[in-house]
Amino acid sequence: DTAVSQTPKYLVTQMGNDKSIKCEQNLGHDTMYWYKQDSKKFLKIMFSYNNKELIINETVPNRFSPKSPDKAHLNLHINSLELGDSAVYFCASSQDLDQRGAPYNEQFFGPGTRLTVL
Amino acid sequence: GQNIDQPTEMTATEGAIVQINCTYQTSGFNGLFWYQQHAGEAPTFLSYNVLDGLEEKGRFSSFLSRSKGYSYLLLKELQMKDSASYLCAVMDSNYQLIWGAGTKLIIKP
Repeated sequence: DTAVSQTPKYLVTQMGNDKSIKCEQNLGHDTMYWYKQDSKKFLKIMFSYNNKELIINETVPNRFSPKSPDKAHLNLHINSLELGDSAVYFCASSQDLDQRGAPYNEQFFGPGTRLTVL
Repeated sequence: GQNIDQPTEMTATEGAIVQINCTYQTSGFNGLFWYQQHAGEAPTFLSYNVLDGLEEKGRFSSFLSRSKGYSYLLLKELQMKDSASYLCAVMDSNYQLIWGAGTKLIIKP
């Protein structure tokens, strides 16, 4: 069974459109994330979210919004797509604590969604 | 500001040993992770260090010195399948992961 899944795997769309990427994890993790990886392969955190708190990277445009219908899902909605939004978007999840109750942040990544804006 | 530095690219020969360094300056420290990412795929977990010293896991070992803000990933008996990017990430005082830009490792026969 896939631990972290994302759909679609590839998304090609026109500038100005609105699109969503879905993410689901079946690991029972507390926290989920969205990352953007651009052509230079730098992994940039966009959001982290658990049932208590949404942490937004201040550099992320407000055209991007996470939506979490429940603990196992964190979808990414993007309004008014721009050329610079073209990248691979990764969803990830983590358990906040290890077996001893210490903070631990090993992240499990989804397969990625390659977004191309034309 | 918070900063993670690692070399952009390294080249090594199949069967050899390679060491990938990572230095960091973060607001607090709660552990350091190494991830492997093959081209077109998601990052996958390799190791976690929170105490000083060497952690060995098969052909891969990871070392940490907290006083120096330094870690390295050591890969032995290199195989062609080890060609990938290796990402260093530090968990800061807020338990958020700060990511390095990654080191692209090229293995030659």
